[in-house]
Amino acid sequence: SSELTQDPAVSVALGQTVRITCQGDSLRSYYASWYQQKPGQAPVLVIYGKNNRPSGIPDRFSGSSSGNTASLTITGAQAEDEADYYCNSRDSSGNHPVFGGGTKLTVL
Amino acid sequence: EVQLVESGGGLIQPGGSLRLSCAASGFNVSSNYMSWVRQAPGKGLEWVSVIYSGGSTNYADSVKGRFTISRDNSKNTLHLQMNSLRAEDTAVYYCAREDPSGFGEFDYWGQGTLVTVSS
Repeated sequence: SSELTQDPAVSVALGQTVRITCQGDSLRSYYASWYQQKPGQAPVLVIYGKNNRPSGIPDRFSGSSSGNTASLTITGAQAEDEADYYCNSRDSSGNHPVFGGGTKLTVL
Repeated sequence: EVQLVESGGGLIQPGGSLRLSCAASGFNVSSNYMSWVRQAPGKGLEWVSVIYSGGSTNYADSVKGRFTISRDNSKNTLHLQMNSLRAEDTAVYYCAREDPSGFGEFDYWGQGTLVTVSS
């Protein structure tokens, strides 16, 4: 089992706001990063650090963190946001990276 | 432009060996932390191994003692030597760069290469 826990599936109505969460003890010490993965494609970094977006990522994607929980928020979800989302941080000892189990986002 | 291109995947019998390669362009592999991340069919992402800029390495417990990560600085290429392969090693293998000025995130990924371990 992963040291980072995500809900397996979340749904959101088109144009509404959705929050995807990631829980783990290591998140009290390390930032989470978030990746979007569409079927048959490699993951794409969407949020990193405190709340940073790589070039080309729409500003409807944002990140936050509190205690042992990191969150990815999509404000005004679009059809093209339907994908799997993975959080990533360090393991509890800080020795190596670890991924959450992933959340499948459905845009209704 | 940064690009990562994996190769070397294929069908291999249990107990066999395979060597994956990841050709990098647009940056120096030797100056960065480079990882292999895998994804079993229908499953999530699993970190496999990292080689740091100083040359030290680390492995997930699931592959320790069987897999070896290395790099060829002259060819700007990352490798993963996989020995004693098992059915559970079946996955798409991605190479990924850790952002050198970030917080441990993987900012660039290859397109992946599929490894199938089956008799």
